[in-house]
Amino acid sequence: DGGITQSPKYLFRKEGQNVTLSCEQNLNHDAMYWYRQDPGQGLRLIYYSQIVNDFQKGDIAEGYSVSREKKESFPLTVTSAQKNPTAFYLCASSPLAGPRGPVTNEQFFGPGTRLTVL
Amino acid sequence: GQNIDQPTEMTATEGAIVQINCTYQTSGFNGLFWYQQHAGEAPTFLSYNVLDGLEEKGRFSSFLSRSKGYSYLLLKELQMKDSASYLCAVRARNAGNMLTFGGGTRLMVKP
Repeated sequence: DGGITQSPKYLFRKEGQNVTLSCEQNLNHDAMYWYRQDPGQGLRLIYYSQIVNDFQKGDIAEGYSVSREKKESFPLTVTSAQKNPTAFYLCASSPLAGPRGPVTNEQFFGPGTRLTVL
Repeated sequence: GQNIDQPTEMTATEGAIVQINCTYQTSGFNGLFWYQQHAGEAPTFLSYNVLDGLEEKGRFSSFLSRSKGYSYLLLKELQMKDSASYLCAVRARNAGNMLTFGGGTRLMVKP
């Protein structure tokens, strides 16, 4: 089945440690995204990538890093520089909009990783 | 920048109709999305509007007025399983066609 997977579902880390969250998709989507969601709030964009080996900062990129070495994979590293890393992290993917792209270009979300820093 | 507003919480009764509003201010508007998110789960796509008017999909409908910067999601024949957060998101050319999400509206459906 096609879809997006994120692992693990729950992650605990000690303060000061870097941690990497995985995101894999087999939908053949060009674009991938990372969002952060805090309790009772909407999604805020951390990073996004529209093509392999290229990525752009979103609204809250400080303290995070990403890589896009393969089309299917877009891992997110939460570094020790992120002051308040405890949150729900969501990865998404979408086809690219364009002259031959889909009209809707909706984003498909993975199940999320809940990170708790102790 | 972009600004998206929606009510924080709403309560409705099973079997009733509820309307969730979303207002936005943006440059280069290029579509509005509604997502449903159950607690602790991923958002799932509900609807998309880019032209003015009403889009109907079963029990759910979404309306857009670009001149007013306004959209609503209408849920009919409410079921208990409709208890969830509903996220309004706007896509804008000026923001690289990225989505900007509102804070979400938590809907509680009571028997």
